[in-house]
Amino acid sequence: DVKVTQSSRYLVKRTGEKVFLECVQDMDHENMFWYRQDPGLGLRLIYFSYDVKMKEKGDIPEGYSVSREKKERFSLILESASTNQTSMYLCASSQGGRNTEAFFGQGTRLTVV
Amino acid sequence: AQSVTQPDIHITVSEGASLELRCNYSYGATPYLFWYVQSPGQGLQLLLKYFSGDTLVQGIKGFEAEFKRSQSSFNLRKPSVHWSDAAEYFCAVVLDTGRRALTFGSGTRLQVQP
Repeated sequence: DVKVTQSSRYLVKRTGEKVFLECVQDMDHENMFWYRQDPGLGLRLIYFSYDVKMKEKGDIPEGYSVSREKKERFSLILESASTNQTSMYLCASSQGGRNTEAFFGQGTRLTVV
Repeated sequence: AQSVTQPDIHITVSEGASLELRCNYSYGATPYLFWYVQSPGQGLQLLLKYFSGDTLVQGIKGFEAEFKRSQSSFNLRKPSVHWSDAAEYFCAVVLDTGRRALTFGSGTRLQVQP
């Protein structure tokens, strides 16, 4: 089975801290994604990557950056955490083109205080 | 911009009753369509997907969905709901052109009454 692992289920950080959310997939997938999930808004795409060292902005990239140094790992970085970044963060990966399903991690619930 | 609409935020059905969750998308390009389910505290699991061919697709857990191009819809159905189906359901699309990432609807939360 494909496994997408997010390093933490729950995180509590202080305003202004730099926060790293890590995601690892074990199926050699080309594509990796970071989404944010908020009640009533569904999942919104923050950033995605089709290959190592490449990244593309999603719909809500402001306040976030990403890093993909290895194919299996995709990190989301909050440069200076703010309370409006309190949310559930979901990582996903998929193989190849557009007609393949995405596999999701369990999510990281981040609270910024 | 592409968008996906799930008009029902919350639906309650009785166990054993039939279920239909609505999903509409708004663009003219050929879509790839997906339904995902999220149980409380869990990640998302794929129920079914449509890429081409037969417009009625079967998925896991007894779910099915029908693609209607004329209505830009991809509604999810189940003939008899079980208590374990209580969850949040998300419709998602990927366009035939442009980026590969899924665009999600806002979700429908399903509650099942005994």
